[in-house]
Amino acid sequence: EPEVTQTPSHQVTQMGQEVILRCVPISNHLYFYWYRQILGQKVEFLVSFYNNEISEKSEIFDDQFSVERPDGSNFTLKIRSTKLEDSAMYFCASRLTAGNTIYFGEGSWLTVV
Amino acid sequence: GESVGLHLPTLSVQEGDNSIINCAYSNSASDYFIWYKQESGKGPQFIIDIRSNMDKRQGQRVTVLLNKTVKHLSLQIAATQPGDSAVYFCAENKGTGNQFYFGTGTSLTVIP
Repeated sequence: EPEVTQTPSHQVTQMGQEVILRCVPISNHLYFYWYRQILGQKVEFLVSFYNNEISEKSEIFDDQFSVERPDGSNFTLKIRSTKLEDSAMYFCASRLTAGNTIYFGEGSWLTVV
Repeated sequence: GESVGLHLPTLSVQEGDNSIINCAYSNSASDYFIWYKQESGKGPQFIIDIRSNMDKRQGQRVTVLLNKTVKHLSLQIAATQPGDSAVYFCAENKGTGNQFYFGTGTSLTVIP
C-alpha cells in the first residue's frame, strides 16, 4: 500500500540552527501538508501546499518556516532558526484531491536543545 | 474559530466489549469527517471517514455515526481488542477549506 515517508525519524538540533524535514508524499497525490504535534497535545495544522504554492497556513507557520517541493517527489519543511518550543513531532501528509482522505507519514521527531 | 473537541479524554474498556468514542464539532459548514488512530510514537492512521450527506458508515469492526443536528460524531468499535489501545482523533474538513482540524484525542485503553 502506498505510504507517505518521512526523514529523519528523529533529529536533535541546537537552538538557532536550521532544520530541514523531508517527506515523500504518495506519488499521485496533489495536496501536501505539514502538521505538528507537541508531546501529549493534539495534531495542529501548519501549512498546505497545492500546485506548487502554499494554499493555506496557520498562525504557527510564521516567517521562520518555509516549504518547498524541489522536485517531483519530495516535499520539505525548513525551520530557519529553531527555538526550544519547536520541539515536536512533525507530520507530513498528502491527499489525492480536495475531497479525499489525508494520509499521514510516521513523523519526524524534532528535539531542540 | 472552528473547534473540534472530544467529550472524554480517556476511556477504558474490557477486551471483547464495544467501545464508543465521541466527538463534538462546532463548524456547521464542515462536510467531511475522519477518525484517526494514533499509536504511541506513530503517525495518525486512517480508520474511517464519513461525509455530511450520510449519518452512518460501517467498516470492519468500526462504525461512525454523524448527527448534524447536534454536531456530534461517534466512533464505535465492536469487540474491542488490545491492539485497539491508542489515541483516537476526529478531524473535520470544510468543503471550501484544504485543511483538517483535529480534536484533542481520546485515549482508549483495552483491559485484557
